[in-house]
Parts: sequence; structure tokens; C-alpha cells
Amino acid sequence: DAGVTQSPTHLIKTRGQQVTLRCSPKSGHDTVSWYQQALGQGPQFIFQYYEEEERQRGNFPDRFSGHQFPNYSSELNVNALLLGDSALYLCASSWGRDRQFFGPGTRLTVL
Amino acid sequence: GQQLNQSPQSMFIQEGEDVSMNCTSSSIFNTWLWYKQDPGEGPVLLIALYKAGELTSNGRLTAQFGITRKDSFLNISASIPSDVGIYFCAGLNYGGSQGNLIFGKGTKLSVKP
Repeated sequence: DAGVTQSPTHLIKTRGQQVTLRCSPKSGHDTVSWYQQALGQGPQFIFQYYEEEERQRGNFPDRFSGHQFPNYSSELNVNALLLGDSALYLCASSWGRDRQFFGPGTRLTVL
Repeated sequence: GQQLNQSPQSMFIQEGEDVSMNCTSSSIFNTWLWYKQDPGEGPVLLIALYKAGELTSNGRLTAQFGITRKDSFLNISASIPSDVGIYFCAGLNYGGSQGNLIFGKGTKLSVKP
């Protein structure tokens, strides 16, 4: 049983560019949440998708957007990248609002 | 963003020692979870707690859901080298539109030199 997978593993972008990160949830899970983890900090909630809709959103600007597909996989898009967007981006999947299981993350570096 | 108060921030362990860490919040949670994160990896779920006062074990790990619903504790007995890493507590509320985890800043476990 595959766990949560994310791609790519690492990404380097320059300021102003746009990036798309991808996540496949654990088998049987229907909910995907995205988190941003800065160095030395705990993960911060970006948004959560359920039934292909954004169900809840954290305190992140509109530059952060997402999508969930019918197979429950999800994408995180960030536009107009800033230096401060450099972080580990984590995807977590769950069955509804039950325990969340995390993927390995995508390390984004903005130069 | 909102974060939980987790302590200690870091600690050094010697193999065989017991370890304790805790997490407090100004608001109540329906669920407390404890995760461990190794360098360059995502957090791995260790224990989930669903009821105030609940005490749950997972091998050498024991966690408790505080009676006030504003705190939780994690104990590791007879620590071994692979226990090294960063431990995060996370609170979760169900209901309405809520469903996101609120994390602490982590407790970093290192091996005593």
C-alpha cells in the first residue's frame, strides 16, 4: 500500500516565476491538505481539498492556489514567487477529517 | 500563524534514558497528534489521541491527552539512537469548516556527545 507521494523532490526557481507541486494521497483517502514548513518551524496550514473543492484555507495570499482531481490527487500552485516562499511543502492525506498522513515533501528554493 | 507551545525546544539523550516533552495551547482541541520528523523527510504519525484524559501507547512511546483539552504529553522510555529527530505535537478540531492541524515548533532530540 503506497503512502502519500509528492513530486518533484526538489525545485529551484527564481523570483517572479510560477511553480506547481503535485501530490498523490494514500490509497483510500479522499482529503488532501497542504502545509508550508520553513526551516526550524512547524508546518503551517495552506489549504485543504475535499470533493475537488477547497474546503478550508489558512492565512496565505491568493498567490497560493490548488486543485484536486477526481482521483483525489492534488496540485499546489504558487504564482509570482518570492524569496520567502522557499520552504518544504508538505502534502497530507486523510479519510475525511481523520488522522493526516504526510508525504516526504517538496523542497522549494527561490533565488 | 497560530502555533502551539512545545517544550523543551531541544534536549540531549543518552541511550537508555526516559524522555518527556509537552505541548500547551490557549485553546482546546478535539484531537492531539504526535509526529516525528527526520531530516529531509515528512512528519511520521506516532500517536493520535481523541478523548480528554486518554493515555495511549505505541511501543516505547506513551502520550496523554490533557484533561483540560489544552495540553498533551509524550514520553519515550529507554531511548535508543534511532529516537533522534524532531518531535511535533499537533492539535486538530473537527466540526464546521475546520480540519487543519495546528503544529508546535518541535522538540529536537539529539544524542549526548
